[in-house]
Amino acid sequence: DTAVSQTPKYLVTQMGNDKSIKCEQNLGHDTMYWYKQDSKKFLKIMFSYNNKELIINETVPNRFSPKSPDKAHLNLHINSLELGDSAVYFCASSLKPAGGPYEQYFGPGTRLTVT
Amino acid sequence: AQSVSQHNHHVILSEAASLELGCNYSYGGTVNLFWYVQYPGQHLQLLLKYFSGDPLVKGIKGFEAEFIKSKFSFNLRKPSVQWSDTAEYFCAVNPYSSASKIIFGSGTRLSIRP
Repeated sequence: DTAVSQTPKYLVTQMGNDKSIKCEQNLGHDTMYWYKQDSKKFLKIMFSYNNKELIINETVPNRFSPKSPDKAHLNLHINSLELGDSAVYFCASSLKPAGGPYEQYFGPGTRLTVT
Repeated sequence: AQSVSQHNHHVILSEAASLELGCNYSYGGTVNLFWYVQYPGQHLQLLLKYFSGDPLVKGIKGFEAEFIKSKFSFNLRKPSVQWSDTAEYFCAVNPYSSASKIIFGSGTRLSIRP
């Protein structure tokens, strides 16, 4: 009974391609997030959705576009992939936006390698 | 800008040694505080959290952390580490004014020698 799942787990692709990463949570949470973890393990938030509404949009290239078809899903589409996009992307969810005792539950991550 | 500092990038200890990992944040208002752990090849898991009340909080696997407001610190401790504690540890801060955002530190890699 996976709480937060991501697909694919590994993604290897060439520069210039377009790819998507999917995330689903079965916890009944209202809020979902995308984080990028670089090679130095630094974890930085990219986007957050609450009930399908975008509430956090950090300084991320507009090649990255999140889409939330419903509150259990938050997908990440990346256009024109670049070498610098190589990283591990983590999806997370929480009951409410993180303004109270609402911890975030993380998915297993998607390791994206752009060649 | 709000930030979280973890001073130790890599800590190496022998089994049964005591552990303290430092975490400081730069924000003057009310905060929620977290420690997450990432075991090799796995996703992040919550170790413990502080929202209010007793500044000494206990988490899973024998970990605890103390919130010292005057020092803007939330250090993680464990009296006796095990080889299985080898992992990356992340401190995170959620400022009340940035309701949806959690800011992570850069992480501390803990290696335990058997």
